Amino acid sequence: EDKVVQSPLSLVVHEGDTVTLNCSYEVTNFRSLLWYKQEKKAPTFLFMLTSSGIEKKSGRLSSILDKKELFSILNITATQTGDSAIYLCAVEAIGAQKLVFGQGTRLTINP
Amino acid sequence: NAGVMQNPRHLVRRRGQEARLRCSPMKGHSHVYWYRQLPEEGLKFMVYLQKENIIDESGMPKERFSAEFPKEGPSILRIQQVVRGDSAAYFCASSPRSGNTEAFFGQGTRLTVV
Repeated sequence: EDKVVQSPLSLVVHEGDTVTLNCSYEVTNFRSLLWYKQEKKAPTFLFMLTSSGIEKKSGRLSSILDKKELFSILNITATQTGDSAIYLCAVEAIGAQKLVFGQGTRLTINP
Repeated sequence: NAGVMQNPRHLVRRRGQEARLRCSPMKGHSHVYWYRQLPEEGLKFMVYLQKENIIDESGMPKERFSAEFPKEGPSILRIQQVVRGDSAAYFCASSPRSGNTEAFFGQGTRLTVV
């Protein structure tokens, strides 16, 4: 059964810190890994990764995939209170339409 | 484009009642996915539908749960004879084609069974 595990489950840091969120996965016929941000409401799409070693970047957020070791990291630099949210990692298999989600990392940024 | 609209946002049902959750996809989207999120857990896939067709219902419980996406109108997730364990947030996502990178999520319906 396909599986996604995120760590840590919860993280509290101060504004301005840099954080690294982890996502490891087991999936048959891997197609892609996706990161979402969930702030009390709808998950919003951040990144999709399909190839190892290619960093995706959007402002202060960046993510990279390691298909050999089966994990991905999401980095957030110079964190702001608006970054407080649950960050979800999900994988998609070839031929499957569904996403398999991890349990999420609850990130809290204190001023 | 109003985005994916789910209603109601909050729904309270007594044990044994029926719950109907509605999802109106974004304009031009003909693919709908339903996910369930239990407290402190990630989203769990339930069902994937295209207009008038159920494509993948491998995540749906075998009993009491059903879903439809008619030619006209929203997609409906129906839960009959609800039990306390059905309490969760139910999210739908819509996409213009198969695949998840273009999928947008709705705000969710929080179902509470009392």
